[in-house]
Amino acid sequence: RKEVEQDPGPFNVPEGATVAFNCTYSNSASQSFFWYRQDCRKEPKLLMSVYSSGNEDGRFTAQLNRASQYISLLIRDSKLSDSATYLCVVTLGDTGTASKLTFGTGTRLQVTL
Amino acid sequence: EAQVTQNPRYLITVTGKKLTVTCSQNMNHEYMSWYRQDPGLGLRQIYYSMNVEVTDKGDVPEGYKVSRKEKRNFPLILESPSPNQTSLYFCASSPGQGFSGANVLTFGAGSRLTVL
Repeated sequence: RKEVEQDPGPFNVPEGATVAFNCTYSNSASQSFFWYRQDCRKEPKLLMSVYSSGNEDGRFTAQLNRASQYISLLIRDSKLSDSATYLCVVTLGDTGTASKLTFGTGTRLQVTL
Repeated sequence: EAQVTQNPRYLITVTGKKLTVTCSQNMNHEYMSWYRQDPGLGLRQIYYSMNVEVTDKGDVPEGYKVSRKEKRNFPLILESPSPNQTSLYFCASSPGQGFSGANVLTFGAGSRLTVL
């Protein structure tokens, strides 16, 4: 089983739709969780961190479910500019030491008119 | 502007010809790392460095070398490139060793390497 798994998609949604992605992780000791966004052939950029209590940033909501070992990303009112690949990132190290990030392979979102 | 700079951005080379991909950051970050990205495999860590003169292997270090003689620079060296090293390479840096909400990776723009 992969350490971090994502549905590769693509998710094709019309503008204005709500779309959600999940990401599962296998190591219950995972410490920190992030969503990164990657545009085609460009560098990944941090979209948001995922906190235990869940967090929201504008149209984006991230949630963590430790019991089921997954994180989710919800995008409301999708825009054309949201078209990208969304990478789930998990740390598998101990707090306070050199943590290693593990990246999912990404979920591709295509927002259409 | 705070950034991670990689060079070259694009390179086509031949098997066995040594090459170096440079990486420099201007944010005084302690942690630096190299990744390669291949279709269907995602980003895989090659080497990382927690500080000057401190480097360690990531998941796929075979065929690569690194050095960290100065805080700002972390070059990736391919002593004898082979076609299976054709990939998109990213350098990244972070303020510290642990990762938390405030301590996240900043990536360079990527270097697309083709080995014939």
